[in-house]
Amino acid sequence: DAGVIQSPRHEVTEMGQEVTLRCKPISGHNSLFWYRQTMMRGLELLIYFNNNVPIDDSGMPEDRFSAKMPNASFSTLKIQPSEPRDSAVYFCASRGIETGFQFFGPGTRLTVL
Amino acid sequence: SQQGEEDPQALSIQEGENATMNCSYKTSINNLQWYRQNSGRGLVHLILIRSNEREKHSGRLRVTLDTSKKSSSLLITASRAADTASYFCAFPRGDDYKLSFGAGTTVTVRA
Repeated sequence: DAGVIQSPRHEVTEMGQEVTLRCKPISGHNSLFWYRQTMMRGLELLIYFNNNVPIDDSGMPEDRFSAKMPNASFSTLKIQPSEPRDSAVYFCASRGIETGFQFFGPGTRLTVL
Repeated sequence: SQQGEEDPQALSIQEGENATMNCSYKTSINNLQWYRQNSGRGLVHLILIRSNEREKHSGRLRVTLDTSKKSSSLLITASRAADTASYFCAFPRGDDYKLSFGAGTTVTVRA
């Protein structure tokens, strides 16, 4: 198994641009999580899906952020418009029913200039 | 927001020594998990310990859980340079799926 796949690995964009981050969870996993990691705030849960349905998006910072999971093998996190304070590493993680722990992707390092 | 606290924030040891880090939490939990993060990489799960367990081993890792004190510890024995990483505790928050992560302990193992 290739593990959780994220793309792109690095993204540099200018303030005001739209950013789309992509995630492919581990096959067979039914839960998917988006996290943001910064030095100041640590690792924050943004949103999670169960069986492709958003369950809790209380961690999404503002309306500029949106996430979708159109099917069991793909999810996107979109930021529109992006701001410099959105600069962070964004992780996607997935989890199966049988396990209690999460499998993380390699992350997308986002820099908004 | 983080609801777990870890200490120390940073730890520097010589190769071959043991490293111990602690995690405290505030709510009742049914399990606690430890993860490792190498620089520039995603988190990797190490051990999950359930609330009815007091100690668990995995290779050179030993985790303890004291639910009365709401604390857990991770011990790495006979450390190696490859153990250099940040270590995070995590526990379910609200429901069994959401995890709350501590701030992490950065461990540096000197050769």
